[in-house]
Amino acid sequence: GQNIDQPTEMTATEGAIVQINCTYQTSGFNGLFWYQQHAGEAPTFLSYNVLDGLEEKGRFSSFLSRSKGYSYLLLKELQMKDSASYLCAGMDSNYQLIWGAGTKLIIKP
Amino acid sequence: ETGVTQTPRHLVMGMTNKKSLKCEQHLGHNAMYWYKQSAKKPLELMFVYSLEERVENNSVPSRFSPECPNSSHLFLHLHTLQPEDSALYLCASSQDPVSGANVLTFGAGSRLTVL
Repeated sequence: GQNIDQPTEMTATEGAIVQINCTYQTSGFNGLFWYQQHAGEAPTFLSYNVLDGLEEKGRFSSFLSRSKGYSYLLLKELQMKDSASYLCAGMDSNYQLIWGAGTKLIIKP
Repeated sequence: ETGVTQTPRHLVMGMTNKKSLKCEQHLGHNAMYWYKQSAKKPLELMFVYSLEERVENNSVPSRFSPECPNSSHLFLHLHTLQPEDSALYLCASSQDPVSGANVLTFGAGSRLTVL
């Protein structure tokens, strides 16, 4: 079956770095997405990886290893506003998105 | 504002009521989606419309009935719901549902409580 695994909750300190991991099993693969969702708000797109390697966008980076079925989202210089849920989703060969349950990130001062 | 607007933001209904959720997108996208989001569970795709034609129906109970009158508007008609249908219902839109880099733009959701 198809599956996405990510931790349920993580805690980190303001100013620090945190890595949120995601492992995926999909029927075929057309890319891996990360979305951010603040409480009570819409999920918003963060990144899309389809090739192996690291993609950097400011304080956020996303990594993909297709051979390992593994991705991570790296957040640097954490700010209080980064407290949110982070959703990982893999796209299968039919362009269907398979979603993880999300990782709730708590930032402490 | 994401460009996808959902109303109402909150809805409480009894099991015998009929209500509708509305979604409007101002992005010129070709595809629109309904998702169900329950606490600590993955997003569940309910319906997909591409160019106003339904292309996906993931075995959703008939008490949920979608309607897409044009490429900018999407409705979810609700009838005889069950308490387990209480959840956040998210609408999304995208440019091309059969593209690898198919980025979804979500609305803020309609929080539904069924009593």
